[in-house]
Amino acid sequence: QTVVTQEPSLTVSPGGTVTLTCASSTGEVTSGNYPNWFQQKPGQAPRALIYTTSNRHSWTPARFSGSLLGGKAALTLSGVQPEDEADYYCLLYFGGGRVFGGGTKLTVL
Amino acid sequence: QVQLQESGPGLVKPSQTLSLSCTVSGASISSGVYYWIWVRQPPGKGLEWIGYMYYSGYTSYNPSLKSRLSISLDTSKNQFSLNLNSVTAADTAVYYCARGSGRTVDHWGQGTLVTASS
Repeated sequence: QTVVTQEPSLTVSPGGTVTLTCASSTGEVTSGNYPNWFQQKPGQAPRALIYTTSNRHSWTPARFSGSLLGGKAALTLSGVQPEDEADYYCLLYFGGGRVFGGGTKLTVL
Repeated sequence: QVQLQESGPGLVKPSQTLSLSCTVSGASISSGVYYWIWVRQPPGKGLEWIGYMYYSGYTSYNPSLKSRLSISLDTSKNQFSLNLNSVTAADTAVYYCARGSGRTVDHWGQGTLVTASS
């Protein structure tokens, strides 16, 4: 079974910039894996942020951006706000199947 | 406004079948544009993709669950359902239903906790 790996935890200062990454055990992540990113706060359902690598949903703040970086999918938060403290999950497409990453716990401190 | 709401028993005995429904409002499950998804999250752990179904009948299941899993649609109620048999404690999780659109998952239910215990 394919494994998708994210940083378990990251810390960023308010107003700072942080990049989360998403790697695949099958090799390089490409646009053909249609990377998606989700934010989840405690006790809440996940919320979609980014789809197909770099497209924001209508409700996604502009400070969230997606890209491919060094063979991985990446989510960059610029000008981090205290309310961005949350768990972040990537989702990769493998043909008809889908696999979530293990999640990154982002602390804003 | 699209909304999804999970429903079903919160407690299932080991070896029995876990059955959940998801009622959709603001969108038709008969639309060929969307697909209907189940995701779960064990307490304190990450998200796990369970599977999905299109109105056409096409299904895709997580290989690790495939032998125990069935997803179906009920167009008369605008609902879709999950059945997972032979449950164990490892199936204890918050179960989410969601809608897929193109290459994304854009709307989620609030989730429902199902505990597998005697």
